[in-house]
Amino acid sequence: GAVVSQHPSRVICKSGTSVKIECRSLDFQATTMFWYRQFPKKSLMLMATSNEGSKATYEQGVEKDKFLINHASLTLSTLTVTSAHPEDSSFYICSATPNTGELFFGEGSRLTVL
Amino acid sequence: AQSVSQHNHHVILSEAASLELGCNYSYGGTVNLFWYVQYPGQHLQLLLKYFSGDPLVKGIKGFEAEFIKSKFSFNLRKPSVQWSDTAEYFCAVMPTQAGTALIFGKGTTLSVSS
Repeated sequence: GAVVSQHPSRVICKSGTSVKIECRSLDFQATTMFWYRQFPKKSLMLMATSNEGSKATYEQGVEKDKFLINHASLTLSTLTVTSAHPEDSSFYICSATPNTGELFFGEGSRLTVL
Repeated sequence: AQSVSQHNHHVILSEAASLELGCNYSYGGTVNLFWYVQYPGQHLQLLLKYFSGDPLVKGIKGFEAEFIKSKFSFNLRKPSVQWSDTAEYFCAVMPTQAGTALIFGKGTTLSVSS
């Protein structure tokens, strides 16, 4: 299957700093990528849809100024958590589709804000 | 808006018992259906998927699921569970129109005792 890679897999930062997470589709082009957030013992919550060359579409309740998404190329989308706080600590997962009707997921990035 | 409902929050079984996890979705159009598994400390893995055709689909590790369109259901089954099946199971739905995200159910925790 198609491969989606996230980096970093784990990041620890101080409160108030910003963290960038990258999501790359390694063997296909993805005009659309999706960012999810997973809380402990909880399902995956769709945060936003990242569209190449245009603004991301955020789900209700997700602060677009806090979670900046940039989809600069057909193989890369980035999620920047700005001015991170401990409540932003979570597991962030990206996914992309080569338009086959199936989504492929990255390995996830665990963010811990101290 | 589409939604996915998983009826069982936590299922506890002994090895060799049969498993059925319920999943219902709410969406008026055509959808692709998925079951994902997340083992402790690991990322999401696809168990099986249904796009069209035979409504009974077989996946990895002996799992199968049946799509019943009239009931908007996609229940997951396994005739005999193993201790290694202990994991979190997520049902997910994706409308077939391009660019739409996967919507997840809240997940079911399966605990299998040996």
